[in-house]
Amino acid sequence: GQQVMQIPQYQHVQEGEDFTTYCNSSTTLSNIQWYKQRPGGHPVFLIQLVKSGEVKKQKRLTFQFGEAKKNSSLHITATQTTDVGTYFCAGGTNAGGTSYGKLTFGQGTILTVHP
Amino acid sequence: DGGITQSPKYLFRKEGQNVTLSCEQNLNHDAMYWYRQDPGQGLRLIYYSQIVNDFQKGDIAEGYSVSREKKESFPLTVTSAQKNPTAFYLCASSVDRVNSPLHFGNGTRLTVT
Repeated sequence: GQQVMQIPQYQHVQEGEDFTTYCNSSTTLSNIQWYKQRPGGHPVFLIQLVKSGEVKKQKRLTFQFGEAKKNSSLHITATQTTDVGTYFCAGGTNAGGTSYGKLTFGQGTILTVHP
Repeated sequence: DGGITQSPKYLFRKEGQNVTLSCEQNLNHDAMYWYRQDPGQGLRLIYYSQIVNDFQKGDIAEGYSVSREKKESFPLTVTSAQKNPTAFYLCASSVDRVNSPLHFGNGTRLTVT
């Protein structure tokens, strides 16, 4: 079945350093979504990418979708303590007909930011 | 405010007992989902429902059951057949089934001893 691998599993940075997490799918995706889960909280949707080579920015966060639609990355510039949490990618496959458009989550990257 | 309500936040049960986790949404979303979260394993899909009175097994449905009698409600029962029930359970909803972004509830942390 479809697998979505996310690396690294953990990342410790000093406040102000940059951070990147990578997501790789075993199959071609129709879209990729990114979520953030604060410690003790629930995942919150950040963004969805659907086009090959797409790049989207949200303030200090930059999201990329690979040309082959099998990989993605999230880059945070100049991390802040508020960026602490677990970042998940979720790869979506085409629904097609009456079948369900399935989302497969990566294992997540736990980001720690030291002040 | 619209949202998803899961209750209770913490739940403790003895081994061999069935337990039902509640999930209610007032977002008027068609699709609802149950995920299980374990450390280092991301979110794994247990069951999902696209419309009332219909639901489908996800990747790890064994030992779980669901119902969808109302659009707003999608309760999950963890049965005694589930071998490792201790986990964090997340309910989610989305506008439709076609890879729409998920809105998650606050989760229920179930501990079975």
